[in-house]
Amino acid sequence: QKEVEQDPGPLSVPEGAIVSLNCTYSNSAFQYFMWYRQYSRKGPELLMYTYSSGNKEDGRFTAQVDKSSKYISLFIRDSQPSDSATYLCAMSAEAGGTSYGKLTFGQGTILTVHP
Amino acid sequence: SQTIHQWPATLVQPVGSPLSLECTVEGTSNPNLYWYRQAAGRGLQLLFYSVGIGQISSEVPQNLSASRPQDRQFILSSKKLLLSDSGFYLCASDAANEKLFFGSGTQLSVL
Repeated sequence: QKEVEQDPGPLSVPEGAIVSLNCTYSNSAFQYFMWYRQYSRKGPELLMYTYSSGNKEDGRFTAQVDKSSKYISLFIRDSQPSDSATYLCAMSAEAGGTSYGKLTFGQGTILTVHP
Repeated sequence: SQTIHQWPATLVQPVGSPLSLECTVEGTSNPNLYWYRQAAGRGLQLLFYSVGIGQISSEVPQNLSASRPQDRQFILSSKKLLLSDSGFYLCASDAANEKLFFGSGTQLSVL
């Protein structure tokens, strides 16, 4: 069993739709949770970062963490064609200096938002 | 903010040839540096990380090695490439209280 499971999709939605992306994990030591967006053949860029269970909102993006269920989600409201990319969840069990960098990634979900 | 320079963008190498990928970081000092690999259709896998000059930790046994000769320079190497070394290689950096930033990546094809 992989430590982090993410549905690879692909996921295709119309512009303006609400998108829900999800990851489950098995390692209860994970305590930092991130979502990255990756455009084709580019390096991933950090979208959201959360530490505790609950919701965190940033513009059209909401990250949700449920540690009891080992489940995290990213919601995108009013999706735009420019949101078309691969979305990667990432997690860290590290404390201290490498907590941001020693990450376990999901497989990534390919999202297409069509006009 | 930090900038990560990674080159080349694309590389095609024959099996058995050597490899050297270089990464340099600007805009920060004493960063932690990382090499990740992304195989086709898969998530990123951490290969090596370094918390300081000359300090290298390997996360998975493999045909590759890493070195950090200077504070903001990180090199990924191989003496003899295998077909299975093909992938998208990403250098990344974090500094105190900053999140992980990635370079633009090198697409390596071993033929």
